[in-house]
Amino acid sequence: AQSVTQPDARVTVSEGASLQLRCKYSYSGTPYLFWYVQYPRQGLQLLLKYYSGDPVVQGVNGFEAEFIKSNSSFHLRKASVHWSDSAVYFCAVSAGNVGDNSKLIWGLGTSLVVNP
Amino acid sequence: EAAVTQSPRNKVTVTGGNVTLSCRQTNSHNYMYWYRQDTGHGLRLIHYSYGAGNLQIGDVPDGYKATRTTQEDFFLLLELASPSQTSLYFCASSGTGDTEVFFGKGTRLTVV
Repeated sequence: AQSVTQPDARVTVSEGASLQLRCKYSYSGTPYLFWYVQYPRQGLQLLLKYYSGDPVVQGVNGFEAEFIKSNSSFHLRKASVHWSDSAVYFCAVSAGNVGDNSKLIWGLGTSLVVNP
Repeated sequence: EAAVTQSPRNKVTVTGGNVTLSCRQTNSHNYMYWYRQDTGHGLRLIHYSYGAGNLQIGDVPDGYKATRTTQEDFFLLLELASPSQTSLYFCASSGTGDTEVFFGKGTRLTVV
């Protein structure tokens, strides 16, 4: 079955520390992968996406993610977090064609808490 | 920047009540979506639409109706609300062939 797993429901880090949020997917086709962020009382916003090519993709606010096909993973990273990065982060995979957003499969999200 | 506006932001209704959630997007997007977000389930697609007058069934449609009256406006209807429909509802939109989905700020619905 197609699925997205974010194994960490909550991650707590200190400001200035590095960050990795994990995402593993199960999908038999070509994966189109996304990370979205949800700030408190806001809707989700796209952080970055991967279709093909360079497996390391850059996003907004210094975030990046690496697609590792052999591991079916798409982990999100940031070198140095800021308190304003505190939010819920969602990983998603598209089970359809590019642009068919009705086929997005979402992870449960990881709540990131950055302590000042 | 793309804008998706939901109303109301909060709603409390009684079991068996009639509720309409409204969504308007000013992005000229063809696609609009209704999701619900629940702890332990993440985001689940209820209904979506390709354009005015079009309606497609999502993954969890039971108990919900939707109507797309114009390109801008998409409504979610709960005609006999139940406590199981207590949730945070998001409306979203995207352009044709575009992979980015733009979300509203959500409507928190409580059915008592």
